[in-house]
Amino acid sequence: QSVLTQPPSVSGAPGQRVTISCTGSSSDIGAGYDVHWYQHLPGTAPKLLIYGNNNRPSGVPNRFSGSRSGTSASLAITGLQAEDEADYYCQSYDSSLSGSVFGGGTKLTVL
Amino acid sequence: EVQLVESGGGLVKPGGSLRLSCAASGFMFSSFSMNWVRQAPGKGLEWVSSISSTTTYIYYADSVKGRFTISRDNAKNSLYLQMNSLRAEDTAVYYCARDDPNVGYGFDIWGLGTMVTVSS
Repeated sequence: QSVLTQPPSVSGAPGQRVTISCTGSSSDIGAGYDVHWYQHLPGTAPKLLIYGNNNRPSGVPNRFSGSRSGTSASLAITGLQAEDEADYYCQSYDSSLSGSVFGGGTKLTVL
Repeated sequence: EVQLVESGGGLVKPGGSLRLSCAASGFMFSSFSMNWVRQAPGKGLEWVSSISSTTTYIYYADSVKGRFTISRDNAKNSLYLQMNSLRAEDTAVYYCARDDPNVGYGFDIWGLGTMVTVSS
């Protein structure tokens, strides 16, 4: 069982907006540690999508945005495209484990 | 080109050992902390271990503590993971990933992974 909790799946039609939640605790997100988001397609390397809660690396479209509040974080994707269909993971740091923690992953299906 | 390439995966019997390697290129390897992350079949990403640039700080997930050892050779631009006492539940794709303070210590560069299968 993952330390960070994500919904197993979300879906949306092309052009729509979807959000993916990531719920942690007082020893990780709630302790103020940054949340990062990754996009992962099978057989490829995971890709850093959002870092430091709400920052996009160069090359990531502004359709992707992140936020953090309390012990939770969210990834929002607007203007859904077929190419967005992938697995998405949140990540933070857990002081009680002295290491990184990932969410269980959310499979995004574009209908 | 900034790149990480893992190698050393394969089929090993329970209780056996394996050493994974990760070759870095295109960046100053010695300046970055590095990590191993794994993904078991049908499961999500799991952080395994991290090592700071000068090896001062080393951390492990509880699931591998005492069995796995992370190390690096900055002169060879290489990261390693020595895996002993392997179990079926260690079966996974193992990725190495760079930890960059410029992106809030997110993992900004990943390799394609190497598959480890623990089975009799």
